[in-house]
Amino acid sequence: AQSVTQPDIHITVSEGASLELRCNYSYGATPYLFWYVQSPGQGLQLLLKYFSGDTLVQGIKGFEAEFKRSQSSFNLRKPSVHWSDAAEYFCAVGRNSGNTPLVFGKGTRLSVIA
Amino acid sequence: SAVISQKPSRDICQRGTSLTIQCQVDSQVTMMFWYRQQPGQSLTLIATANQGSEATYESGFVIDKFPISRPNLTFSTLTVSNMSPEDSSIYLCSVIDPRYEKLFFGSGTQLSVL
Repeated sequence: AQSVTQPDIHITVSEGASLELRCNYSYGATPYLFWYVQSPGQGLQLLLKYFSGDTLVQGIKGFEAEFKRSQSSFNLRKPSVHWSDAAEYFCAVGRNSGNTPLVFGKGTRLSVIA
Repeated sequence: SAVISQKPSRDICQRGTSLTIQCQVDSQVTMMFWYRQQPGQSLTLIATANQGSEATYESGFVIDKFPISRPNLTFSTLTVSNMSPEDSSIYLCSVIDPRYEKLFFGSGTQLSVL
């Protein structure tokens, strides 16, 4: 069965600083990988997804993520964080058949300070 | 992109009562899923809503507590029965097409049980 680990429960960064949120997955085959953001009182918004091909994936709001098979990781990055990026970030994995629900990590809460 | 209408968006209910949550999609989709997000937690899959057959429940969730209907390819309901304060959560429906071509979440139902 798939599983997702987000090692960092809470991260605080200064506005303008770079950001990396960690995600490790467990799945025997090539997974489908996703990053979602959930702002306070808001629904889930898909930031980006990886299915195959180029291992560096560009998403919305200036985010990117890199799939590293050897490390079973799919870390999310942003070169310069904005105060509006403060939110909860969830990494999720799906099976490569694409017909199963996503399994979510526990989330990382991002705080941004001036 | 698919549009998901989930209602109610929030409700406050008394212990022992039941609430039915509706999820309407503007296009036909194969897969519909119901998730629960308890306060400060990640998303946990409750069940897969199968069109024309009984829902498939995850470990820890049972049909008597969370009956689900899926009468057609655009609609599903989740009922939270005999509610207790522990059922206070956000409930979300999700739609997925094979290969995750369509992958969306409803805006959620915030349920508070007194």
